[in-house]
Amino acid sequence: QSVLTQPPSASGTPGQRVTIYCSGSSSNIGSNTVNWYQQFSGTAPKLLIYRNNQRPSGVPDRFSGSKSGTSASLAISGLQSEDEAVYYCASWDDSVIAVAFGGGTKLTVL
Amino acid sequence: ELQLVESGGGLVQPGYSLRLSCAASGFTFSNYWMHWVRQAPGKGLVWVSRINEDGTGTTYADSVKDRFTISRDNAKNTLYLQMDSLRAEDTAVYFCTRGYTSSASCFDPWGQGTLVTVSS
Repeated sequence: QSVLTQPPSASGTPGQRVTIYCSGSSSNIGSNTVNWYQQFSGTAPKLLIYRNNQRPSGVPDRFSGSKSGTSASLAISGLQSEDEAVYYCASWDDSVIAVAFGGGTKLTVL
Repeated sequence: ELQLVESGGGLVQPGYSLRLSCAASGFTFSNYWMHWVRQAPGKGLVWVSRINEDGTGTTYADSVKDRFTISRDNAKNTLYLQMDSLRAEDTAVYFCTRGYTSSASCFDPWGQGTLVTVSS
């Protein structure tokens, strides 16, 4: 059972906009920044969004992040087949004194 | 080029020990927090441990506390994870990653991972 809650799956068609949500609590998302990772099958995760809504260089602006209260979201616009991956949210948790990851959301492009 | 390369994984019996290494290059290793994150087969990411820049501060997930020890050698640009009293549930790919920005859960880059299998 992950401290941060994500839907196990999401899907969309090419060109569509998809949003993945990450729900937490006051001890994690509510008081710390959220980061998002993209992981393709059999490879290491890659930083996708940091500090709630910042994109590292090289990440397309189709990817955007936001945070409100104890929840965060990752939006992908202009969905492409190469966006098929598992997406994880992460935040520091002040109560367990550890990094919390969401369980991951597998995105399928139909 | 930023690079992290893990090594030391393998098959080990329950109760035994293993030490993982992570060789860093392309950045000033001694300036960054470093972390270990693991992923059991077919499962999600789980944070394991972190160490501060000079090695004087460490934090562990409850699941590995008192069994695992994180350390670093800044002269060798290498991060370590000593894993003792291994259990079947420690079976996972272990990733080494660098702390990025002041956010405690921000990691970039990641190594390719090394597989640890705990089985008799």
